[in-house]
Amino acid sequence: AQSVTQPDIHITVSEGASLELRCNYSYGATPYLFWYVQSPGQGLQLLLKYFSGDTLVQGIKGFEAEFKRSQSSFNLRKPSVHWSDAAEYFCAVAPTGTASKLTFGTGTRLQVTL
Amino acid sequence: NAGVMQNPRHLVRRRGQEARLRCSPMKGHSHVYWYRQLPEEGLKFMVYLQKENIIDESGMPKERFSAEFPKEGPSILRIQQVVRGDSAAYFCASSPEGATQYFGPGTRLLVL
Repeated sequence: AQSVTQPDIHITVSEGASLELRCNYSYGATPYLFWYVQSPGQGLQLLLKYFSGDTLVQGIKGFEAEFKRSQSSFNLRKPSVHWSDAAEYFCAVAPTGTASKLTFGTGTRLQVTL
Repeated sequence: NAGVMQNPRHLVRRRGQEARLRCSPMKGHSHVYWYRQLPEEGLKFMVYLQKENIIDESGMPKERFSAEFPKEGPSILRIQQVVRGDSAAYFCASSPEGATQYFGPGTRLLVL
């Protein structure tokens, strides 16, 4: 069965610093890959997705993620964090080629200090 | 284009009552998914529906939970005889093609 691991439960960075959130997946083949962000009490907003092609994908709010097949990873990055980026970030995977459920990691809570 | 709508946003029920959660997908989206988020946990898949059909209900508890997505109207997640362990946030997502899912704001269910 597929699984998603987000090894960092909680990360604190200073505003203006760079950010990298880790995501590793276990799956038989390369799945579809997603990053979502959830602010407290809110729903999930799609930041970016990878289906195929260029392994570096750009998303909204200045985020990007890089797919590395050899490491089964899809890490999320941002060069300069803003205080409004404080939220919970979820990595998710789904099988390719079919409409199917998402399998989520347990999330990484980002705190931004001023 | 309005986003995914869910109502109510908050729902309080006493043990043994029924909870009905509604989800209106984005316009043009025929795929609907329901997920549950327990406190301090990620989202867990419950059920996947297309119009009038349940496609995958592998994440649904076998008893007390049911879902539908009628030809007309919103998708409904129904929980009968709620228990305290049902307290959670329930999220609906919709998709135009089944791969990219867009989430609603969720319904926070509290069972007293």
